[in-house]
Amino acid sequence: GESVGLHLPTLSVQEGDNSIINCAYSNSASDYFIWYKQESGKGPQFIIDIRSNMDKRQGQRVTVLLNKTVKHLSLQIAATQPGDSAVYFCAENGAAGNKLTFGGGTRVLVKP
Amino acid sequence: DAMVIQNPRYQVTQFGKPVTLSCSQTLNHNVMYWYQQKSSQAPKLLFHYYDKDFNNEADTPDNFQSRRPNTSFCFLDIRSPGLGDAAMYLCATSRDSGSYEQYFGPGTRLTVT
Repeated sequence: GESVGLHLPTLSVQEGDNSIINCAYSNSASDYFIWYKQESGKGPQFIIDIRSNMDKRQGQRVTVLLNKTVKHLSLQIAATQPGDSAVYFCAENGAAGNKLTFGGGTRVLVKP
Repeated sequence: DAMVIQNPRYQVTQFGKPVTLSCSQTLNHNVMYWYQQKSSQAPKLLFHYYDKDFNNEADTPDNFQSRRPNTSFCFLDIRSPGLGDAAMYLCATSRDSGSYEQYFGPGTRLTVT
């Protein structure tokens, strides 16, 4: 269902440290997952995606891990930089498979 | 660069006065989506077009309508905006539905006075 709330969970990270953002997805029939980054006043920006036939995928400084047993998705950002400060959303394609359902979002604040 | 363009970026309308937001894409994607995003919340899908086929979400109010006159353009019409409709409206496209990345535009921030 839709996430409703006034306050986003916040992850505060020291510049240069690694960040891990977690997401619990709801539908065991989902076979496609995606992470987006959204900076203030901008539209969501693609980071990385993964299909259910994989449990790990790596990009530039980012890694997505998928645990289908517990319906858990995580995004790891290596050597976090100030430009990584944003809200991060996970999304799944759900049972119908024809649209994305977004998770509630996590705000990442990078401290210099 | 191929992209998703939304106009205007900021829109102010009066309570009850119809407003139209526009989206265009140069990606030649089959699917176009409209989302509503309120502060500190995830984007909420309102409806999407697969080519010319319109798909409305069950909980999208009747106050919201959409038109897609051609592949490149899609419009969001809010017939009688209420104060609760103030939000960021995001347009997105994807090559196909479901398992394909959605490309988002920059959004239109709607204010209702």
